[in-house]
Amino acid sequence: EAEVAQSPRYKITEKSQAVAFWCDPISGHATLYWYRQILGQGPELLVQFQDESVVDDSQLPKDRFSAERLKGVDSTLKIQPAELGDSAMYLCASSLPDSWVEQFFGPGTRLTVL
Amino acid sequence: QKEVEQDPGPLSVPEGAIVSLNCTYSNSAFQYFMWYRQYSRKGPELLMYTYSSGNKEDGRFTAQVDKSSKYISLFIRDSQPSDSATYLCANINAGNMLTFGGGTRLMVKP
Repeated sequence: EAEVAQSPRYKITEKSQAVAFWCDPISGHATLYWYRQILGQGPELLVQFQDESVVDDSQLPKDRFSAERLKGVDSTLKIQPAELGDSAMYLCASSLPDSWVEQFFGPGTRLTVL
Repeated sequence: QKEVEQDPGPLSVPEGAIVSLNCTYSNSAFQYFMWYRQYSRKGPELLMYTYSSGNKEDGRFTAQVDKSSKYISLFIRDSQPSDSATYLCANINAGNMLTFGGGTRLMVKP
């Protein structure tokens, strides 16, 4: 069964360091999403891509976060510099175009900032 | 006020019980209503979704939407220990963006 792949699964870093997360969506899914889920809360959308283009990044803290999907397939989310409040689960999801109801989530990357 | 709210629980029930999970929302423009299940250290997985008001059944799961009261429910019949997870309700807003509730943690004890 096709799945969304993410790596690393866990990341521990010190504040002010740079971190990067990688996501490989389900083959054929043109729409890719990055969410942040703080412990005990629901996921919140950071950025949405349609192919290689950003559709919505209104909730992305652009002073420190960046996201790219250069070839319209896999994607990278970067934080530089990391802050203590960035500790969270970072989830990637993908869907078929115009099928935003049925999003398939990866296992996530658990980030701890010390 | 958050757009989508859930009681965080935990909700503890014995195996075989009927479980009722609830969610309220504030944006009357929501049209699609989803339930996701999230096991510990895993990503959410879509259980089912409904469009507008009414009921939808899928095996042991029934989703119910009451738009007049902005209330969403998920019922689980014959609950099993494998149903122990966090259940997230979510809605789609006018911008086609998923808005999640905080989730309710369910524990089904053998």
